[in-house]
Amino acid sequence: AQKITQTQPGMFVQEKEAVTLDCTYDTSDPSYGLFWYKQPSSGEMIFLIYQGSYDQQNATEGRYSLNFQKARKSANLVISASQLGDSAMYFCAMREGGYGQNFVFGPGTRLSVLP
Amino acid sequence: NAGVTQTPKFQVLKTGQSMTLQCAQDMNHEYMSWYRQDPGMGLRLIHYSVGAGITDQGEVPNGYNVSRSTTEDFPLRLLSAAPSQTSVYFCGAGQSLNEQFFGPGTRLTVL
Repeated sequence: AQKITQTQPGMFVQEKEAVTLDCTYDTSDPSYGLFWYKQPSSGEMIFLIYQGSYDQQNATEGRYSLNFQKARKSANLVISASQLGDSAMYFCAMREGGYGQNFVFGPGTRLSVLP
Repeated sequence: NAGVTQTPKFQVLKTGQSMTLQCAQDMNHEYMSWYRQDPGMGLRLIHYSVGAGITDQGEVPNGYNVSRSTTEDFPLRLLSAAPSQTSVYFCGAGQSLNEQFFGPGTRLTVL
């Protein structure tokens, strides 16, 4: 079974609008972490935001926020006020337990920001 | 990228050749890892380390060796390159369980 599901292979958003990228996960471990990364066409992996399973509040980092719904096993990334430079692949990832023991990535969502 | 460097950026090998991909970090991070990214996919964990002298296998370890003799360096060795190992390789590092930063990647082609 897929540990991380990203159901949107591609998304379009108008510049300056908000967009939500979906991520659902599957784990029976009570301790886990959820990550979002951005991969522009240049290829590097850029860390965006982290949410721990015990964190009470949704994580925020500038224009990025993580809509964490633990009961639904959902960790959607919200990008506010989209910019042309936000066009990239976005990956959701999950760490279960300790470091490296299980760190899995979803298949990604390609976001295109339209002028 | 929290000071994670990878060399080389690009490499072409012939089947059967061996080589070492270098990864170094200058932030004294305990945790380091290697991933591969195949076209159209997310990253898959090859090997990881939770500190100097400690390594373990990830999801796809076959054909790769690692060692961690210092905190700073975590080289990945391809023992006998195969075309199936054509991929982009990323090294990750982090100080705690809630962070992992990546290097710029190494694009490897095996002919």
